[in-house]
Amino acid sequence: DGGITQSPKYLFRKEGQNVTLSCEQNLNHDAMYWYRQDPGQGLRLIYYSQIVNDFQKGDIAEGYSVSREKKESFPLTVTSAQKNPTAFYLCASRRQGGGYGYTFGSGTRLTVV
Amino acid sequence: QKEVEQNSGPLSVPEGAIASLNCTYSDRGSQSFFWYRQYSGKSPELIMSIYSNGDKEDGRFTAQLNKASQYVSLLIRDSQPSDSATYLCAVNPNSGGSNYKLTFGKGTLLTVNP
Repeated sequence: DGGITQSPKYLFRKEGQNVTLSCEQNLNHDAMYWYRQDPGQGLRLIYYSQIVNDFQKGDIAEGYSVSREKKESFPLTVTSAQKNPTAFYLCASRRQGGGYGYTFGSGTRLTVV
Repeated sequence: QKEVEQNSGPLSVPEGAIASLNCTYSDRGSQSFFWYRQYSGKSPELIMSIYSNGDKEDGRFTAQLNKASQYVSLLIRDSQPSDSATYLCAVNPNSGGSNYKLTFGKGTLLTVNP
């Protein structure tokens, strides 16, 4: 079955450490997205990519980095520059064209210890 | 800044009642509208999409769109406790090259009481 796989489900980060969240899709979708969700807040866009080897900053890109070397993969690195990284991270993908919604992965819950 | 507004709730309805969830949006040129359901601790799941004015029905769910009023709603008939979740409204803006990203509301928490 096609879908989006995020791993790990839970991740613990020590102060000053970089961590990478994995996102893989086999839906043949062109566009991929990373969102952050905090309790009581909506989804905030971190980065998005419409094609391989190209990506754009979203609303809260500071302290994060991404790569898009393959159509299927869009990993997110949370760097030590991100001062408040504890959150629920969601990866999504979408077919190109304005009429399609996102398909979300199951999410990664990141906690700073 | 394109905006999507939802009442944060919580909206509480008794089992078997109709739950009505509302959403307004600011970009008049928007063309595509989506409703997502998100259970606590889980990721959002697409439950309805609508593109034309009027109603679209799928089982117990009905999406309603009024582009003139910039208003989209979701009705849940015969509400069940399993419908208790946060419902997110999402809109595809259609201006300024931003149509690659959906704009989400903050969601409405629905509680269905047995």
